[in-house]
Amino acid sequence: KQEVTQIPAALSVPEGENLVLNCSFTDSAIYNLQWFRQDPGKGLTSLLLIQSSQREQTSGRLNASLDKSSGRSTLYIAASQPGDSATYLCAVLNSGGSNYKLTFGKGTLLTVNP
Amino acid sequence: ETGVTQSPTHLIKTRGQQVTLRCSSQSGHNTVSWYQQALGQGPQFIFQYYREEENGRGNFPPRFSGLQFPNYSSELNVNALELDDSALYLCASSDLSGDTQYFGPGTRLTVL
Repeated sequence: KQEVTQIPAALSVPEGENLVLNCSFTDSAIYNLQWFRQDPGKGLTSLLLIQSSQREQTSGRLNASLDKSSGRSTLYIAASQPGDSATYLCAVLNSGGSNYKLTFGKGTLLTVNP
Repeated sequence: ETGVTQSPTHLIKTRGQQVTLRCSSQSGHNTVSWYQQALGQGPQFIFQYYREEENGRGNFPPRFSGLQFPNYSSELNVNALELDDSALYLCASSDLSGDTQYFGPGTRLTVL
């Protein structure tokens, strides 16, 4: 059974700081890994998707890495801004036999203070 | 290309009632997955539908059921609502490859 853990559960940083969010998973037989952002009471916004054959993906100030063999991923946010405050969720896609399903971590609640 | 839509946005029910949530897939997608996100938790996989058939189920009781229609839209039905069913319900659609799921905005269900 796939399990996804995110560390830390919460993080508070001053504006402008670079930061790293961590995600680990127990079953390395994944198809891809995805990082989402979730604002309070809202749905999921996909930030980055890394295929199992890739090592990293970048979008603007965000960079996500994947080490499938060790079951780890990191999301790096450069020059953080108050608008980055949200919950960040990591999810891995596995095959469940005849279907594909995402397994999520519990998320990291990020607060960026002005 | 239209995105994934869900209705209603919010819903309040009382314990023991039944509820139906709706999801319209992104254009060209034939697979729909439903997830439940309780407060402070990550989303949990409920089940998936492919071409109108259930195609995998998570650890949820039979009172959670679904339908997929020929136009690939989908319903999630929950009978005999319990207080713990209060959550954000998310649907996600994907194409035949299944490797990328696109999420709707969710339906917030409150059970009193």
